[in-house]
Amino acid sequence: NAGVMQNPRHLVRRRGQEARLRCSPMKGHSHVYWYRQLPEEGLKFMVYLQKENIIDESGMPKERFSAEFPKEGPSILRIQQVVRGDSAAYFCASSPGGQGYNEQFFGPGTRLTVL
Amino acid sequence: GQQVMQIPQYQHVQEGEDFTTYCNSSTTLSNIQWYKQRPGGHPVFLIQLVKSGEVKKQKRLTFQFGEAKKNSSLHITATQTTDVGTYFCAGPSPFGQNFVFGPGTRLSVLP
Repeated sequence: NAGVMQNPRHLVRRRGQEARLRCSPMKGHSHVYWYRQLPEEGLKFMVYLQKENIIDESGMPKERFSAEFPKEGPSILRIQQVVRGDSAAYFCASSPGGQGYNEQFFGPGTRLTVL
Repeated sequence: GQQVMQIPQYQHVQEGEDFTTYCNSSTTLSNIQWYKQRPGGHPVFLIQLVKSGEVKKQKRLTFQFGEAKKNSSLHITATQTTDVGTYFCAGPSPFGQNFVFGPGTRLSVLP
């Protein structure tokens, strides 16, 4: 029973390029959360999705960032025209239920470095 | 919006000493969860507390949820080097369907 998978594990981009981060939730989980973590800091909520729906995107910058969780395939966090400040670890977590009532299972994260 | 605070930010203990981290929310929580993140790793769920005044134990770890459901604590008895990591409390925001993590308490255990 595979856990939450994220790829790539490490991603290097130059300023202005696009970054695509993928997250495959645990089997049977239809709720996905994305978080950003700067070095030595806590986890900042970005977006909460269910299959084909964005439930809460209050933590995601309105420009350059977007997220989706299609009916088939992984959830994708997309960052357009990356800047150095986007460098961080991005974690996704999946849950069998939503609204914060269930344990979240985290993936290994994608470490994004913007040169 | 909701704020979740944790103290202390850092704690250095000698192996065998006890450790406690405290979590405080600006709003009442429907439940609170605790996670541990090892250096270089990802957060791992430890426990969820739901009821006012609830106390749960996992071996050397004791978790408490305050009567007002706005604060919580994690106590580790006789720390071991395997306890090293950052401990986060987290809870659902009452203002939406997002999830708020505290800033974490980083524990170092000296052998």
